[in-house]
Amino acid sequence: GEDVEQSLFLSVREGDSSVINCTYTDSSSTYLYWYKQEPGAGLQLLTYIFSNMDMKQDQRLTVLLNKKDKHLSLRIADTQTGDSAIYFCAEEGNGGATNKLIFGTGTLLAVQP
Amino acid sequence: GAVVSQHPSRVICKSGTSVKIECRSLDFQATTMFWYRQFPKQSLMLMATSNEGSKATYEQGVEKDKFLINHASLTLSTLTVTSAHPEDSSFYICSARVLQETQYFGPGTRLLVL
Repeated sequence: GEDVEQSLFLSVREGDSSVINCTYTDSSSTYLYWYKQEPGAGLQLLTYIFSNMDMKQDQRLTVLLNKKDKHLSLRIADTQTGDSAIYFCAEEGNGGATNKLIFGTGTLLAVQP
Repeated sequence: GAVVSQHPSRVICKSGTSVKIECRSLDFQATTMFWYRQFPKQSLMLMATSNEGSKATYEQGVEKDKFLINHASLTLSTLTVTSAHPEDSSFYICSARVLQETQYFGPGTRLLVL
C-alpha cells in the first residue's frame, strides 16, 4: 500500500540550514509536493517536483529527489523563526483526473533564535 | 493566486446535531474538490473526492451516510457531519483543483462536538 514517512521533529538554530526528509513507496508518483502548515491553519504549498527531475531550487528552498531510493528532501537555507511549522511531503499518483495526494506523517520544524 | 475559503472556521455543537461546512473556490472553477480530516498532531487523511454534479467517492472506512458531501457547483462543495458525536471532533480541510492542476487548500474548520 501507499505509505509516506517523515521524521517527527527537527530543531535548528536561526540562520542554519534545515533538511527535512521523506520516504515514499509509490514508484508511479508523478509529482511530489512539500506543504507547510502553521498552527491552526490550512496547508500552504511550498514547492513541488516532477518525478523525472532530481533537483529543483526556488529561492531558499531546494528539493532533492532520489527516485531509485524513493527519497525526497526539502532543504531550507538560512532558516528563520517564521519557518517554524509542520512540513508535510505528499505524493500524487498517476490515476487520471482525480489523482489523490498521500500525505506524509509531518515533520515539526522548531527554529531556535 | 488560487484562493479556497472554508466556513465556518470553527464550530462547537452538541452531540447528535448536524454540522455543515462549506468549501469555496473564490477565483477559479474547481472541477474536483477533496475533503480531508486531521487529528491533533497527525497527518491529513483523505475522506472523499467529489466532482461537480456527481456523487462523491469515499475512501475506505469513511461512512457515506455520516459525512454527506454535496458538490453543487464548480465553486462550492459542502460537507455535512450528521448526528455528530465527540469522536467526530477534528480539523476538516478541503482542497480544490482544476483538472490535474495543483490542489489548493482551504484554511480548515475546527469542529468540536460536546
